[in-house]
Formats: sequence, structure tokens, C-alpha cells
Amino acid sequence: EAQVTQNPRYLITVTGKKLTVTCSQNMNHEYMSWYRQDPGLGLRQIYYSMNVEVTDKGDVPEGYKVSRKEKRNFPLILESPSPNQTSLYFCASSSLGQGGGYTFGSGTRLTVV
Amino acid sequence: QKEVEQDPGPLSVPEGAIVSLNCTYSNSAFQYFMWYRQYSRKGPELLMYTYSSGNKEDGRFTAQVDKSSKYISLFIRDSQPSDSATYLCAMSARAGGGNKLTFGTGTQLKVEL
Repeated sequence: EAQVTQNPRYLITVTGKKLTVTCSQNMNHEYMSWYRQDPGLGLRQIYYSMNVEVTDKGDVPEGYKVSRKEKRNFPLILESPSPNQTSLYFCASSSLGQGGGYTFGSGTRLTVV
Repeated sequence: QKEVEQDPGPLSVPEGAIVSLNCTYSNSAFQYFMWYRQYSRKGPELLMYTYSSGNKEDGRFTAQVDKSSKYISLFIRDSQPSDSATYLCAMSARAGGGNKLTFGTGTQLKVEL
């Protein structure tokens, strides 16, 4: 089944404790992206990657890091999480050739206390 | 002012009703318009994808774009309880996967028996 898999689905952590949210896709998509979704603000792009070793900032990159060492994986790293990073996170992927539609993962609900 | 505005709802309708969901936007560069459906605790899934002005129909769903008014709509005919979800509009200036999508905040729809 074609899908984007995120782990974990739920995570509660403490301020300052480094964490990684993993994202993997099995569709051989070149493009991958991270979004956060907050009430009243909608989906906002954090980082994106056009291909292996090519990443760039989205609209809200502060406090996040990403890497793209393999085509299928695009982990999101929070080096020192803070409470304002409490949110619902989605990974998405797309083929560069297809018409703009992204495939989203099921989401990671992160709470930073 | 946000680039894309969408009434958050909630919108509650009886089963069988025709539902109209709408977004307005301010960026005249947007050419490609999408509707995503997001069930609770799930990631968004692509419903409809349209280019420029006009209508596109897919089963019970019709997407309509009026670029002169910067207004897009999604109509759902014969609405079902399974249509209860949050509907997100999204827009892009260029075609192809990998181009930045700007999302509305979503409209929550409940279809009641």
C-alpha cells in the first residue's frame, strides 16, 4: 500500500529534551515536507526537501532541523523542544511530476511540557 | 490578512443535504486549487484538484473556481454521515508536485442522520 508513515503517533516530552519524529514513504517520491497544524492557523510548512541532500526552510523553520540522507526518509528533529512547539505534525510527500497533490502521513501529536 | 480565508464552521447539515464549502484568496498568482478531506486523527487526503477557472465533477463532489472573484467552492451532493470531516482548501501558483501549497484553516462539517 502506498503510504507515508510517521512515528510516533503521540509523544509527550519535556522542555529541552531532544527528539526525532521519523517519516518514511514507499512511493519513490522526490519531494517531502513537514507541516505543523494548529487551531486557527491551519497547516504551516516547516521544512521541505526536493530530493536527497536538498532541503530548504518553509514558513516556520525556527527550532527545527531536518535531513534527507535517503530518498524514502525525512526525519524532523527538535534539538531543544519548547512548549510553543506543542502541535500536530504531518509529513507529506509528492512526485515532482504529479499535479500538486500531496500524500500525508497520519500525524504526530507532540506535547512539550 | 491571510492569503487564504476559510470559514472554520462547524457546519452541521442533515443527511442528504447539499453542502457548500468555500475559500477566498488574495494572491492572484494562484492557478491550481485543491480540496483535501481530513478525518479526525488522520492526515489530509486529496479530494479534488483543479486548474484555473471552471468546474470539475467527481461523483458527488463538484469543485468550482472563480478566479475573477478569487473564490473557490466545493459542493457535496446527497451528503452522508461519512462525509463528516474537516475540509481544507489549498492553492499553488505552479503545477507539479513540490510546489508550495498554501492551505486554508479548514471547515469542520458534520452530517447528521
